[in-house]
Amino acid sequence: AQSVTQLDSQVPVFEEAPVELRCNYSSSVSVYLFWYVQYPNQGLQLLLKYLSGSTLVKGINGFEAEFNKSQTSFHLRKPSVHISDTAEYFCAVSDRNTDKLIFGTGTRLQVFP
Amino acid sequence: DAEITQSPRHKITETGRQVTLACHQTWNHNNMFWYRQDLGHGLRLIHYSYGVQDTNKGEVSDGYSVSRSNTEDLPLTLESAASSQTSVYFCASSEPDNYNEQFFGPGTRLTVL
Repeated sequence: AQSVTQLDSQVPVFEEAPVELRCNYSSSVSVYLFWYVQYPNQGLQLLLKYLSGSTLVKGINGFEAEFNKSQTSFHLRKPSVHISDTAEYFCAVSDRNTDKLIFGTGTRLQVFP
Repeated sequence: DAEITQSPRHKITETGRQVTLACHQTWNHNNMFWYRQDLGHGLRLIHYSYGVQDTNKGEVSDGYSVSRSNTEDLPLTLESAASSQTSVYFCASSEPDNYNEQFFGPGTRLTVL
């Protein structure tokens, strides 16, 4: 069975500092990988996705993620965060034989001035 | 623009009452999903549907039911609400063969007293 682990439940960071949100997954088959962002009192919005090809994926709002098959990881990074990046971030995995997503427990990114 | 709407956005009910949460999408997607979001658990799949008259149980389906009579709507019914069902509920949709990317509604916050 597939699973997703987000190692950090909360990540505090100062504005303009770099940030990395960690995501590890387990699956016995080839996968699609996603990062979603949830702003307060809103639904989830897709940040970026890995389907195949280049392991470095660029998304919206300056975020990027790197797929590492050997380490089964898909960490999210941003070189310089803004106050407006304060939100909950979810990593999700789906295998190529199903239409379902499995979500991690989320990481709350808190950006301080 | 296509979208997913959920209603009501907030609901307070009493233990034992039947409650129905509405989900309506104008993407014309075949796949629709219901999740609940709880602190420490991320998003957990309740029920999903791959098309009209098709419904399937997710990992936390006990106490919930869905029906799919048309492409646009997937209402979620709590047969007899329990305090353990206090949560935020999200509806999502996706198109088969679009790499499992899901589009989310704004959520319904349900409180069962």
